[in-house]
Amino acid sequence: NAGVTQTPKFRILKIGQSMTLQCTQDMNHNYMYWYRQDPGMGLKLIYYSVGAGITDKGEVPNGYNVSRSTTEDFPLRLELAAPSQTSVYFCASRRGEGLGGDTEAFFGQGTRLTVV
Amino acid sequence: GENVEQHPSTLSVQEGDSAVIKCTYSDSASNYFPWYKQELGKGPQLIIDIRSNVGEKKDQRIAVTLNKTAKHFSLHITETQPEDSAVYFCAGRWGGSSNTGKLIFGQGTTLQVKP
Repeated sequence: NAGVTQTPKFRILKIGQSMTLQCTQDMNHNYMYWYRQDPGMGLKLIYYSVGAGITDKGEVPNGYNVSRSTTEDFPLRLELAAPSQTSVYFCASRRGEGLGGDTEAFFGQGTRLTVV
Repeated sequence: GENVEQHPSTLSVQEGDSAVIKCTYSDSASNYFPWYKQELGKGPQLIIDIRSNVGEKKDQRIAVTLNKTAKHFSLHITETQPEDSAVYFCAGRWGGSSNTGKLIFGQGTTLQVKP
């Protein structure tokens, strides 16, 4: 089972460059999330989506954009990379809430991004 | 707004001792509180969770307690082992309907279990 797949695993960007972090899941989950992880700061929510065509801002959305055209994919776009965006990025997905209650979030392996 | 505070940021215990990590949340609308464990170089993985209609839940050496009145919840690990060494995150989910689902994490606790 592939689960949540993130690409690339590592990337170095120059200031001002743009890139897209890819995330895909094969579990037919409704909810998808993007987090960034900085040392001592935990996981900060950037954007999330509750289904195809629906996205919403999290705690730290500035400098990022997302789209959710399909259930499987939730790419994160950095338009003008800044050193402050140096971080480890995690994508996650959840089936959502239902009669059985809440469900587990599954995380990808992360993308380590350095902006120089 | 939604916020989860986690303490301590680091915790060192001797093998066999217990470890306790505490979290508080700001918004009483949260009704689901999972705990995740992150090993080096990997994404976080769920280890236990608790819903707002339950006060305590156990799974072998791991237990979670929830105090809704005080808006805090705790992770308890008994008989710690070196393989318990990792970063632990608490989280809260906001929203009472299926149209929401914002999952907010605490700052993380680095647990070191000394042999």
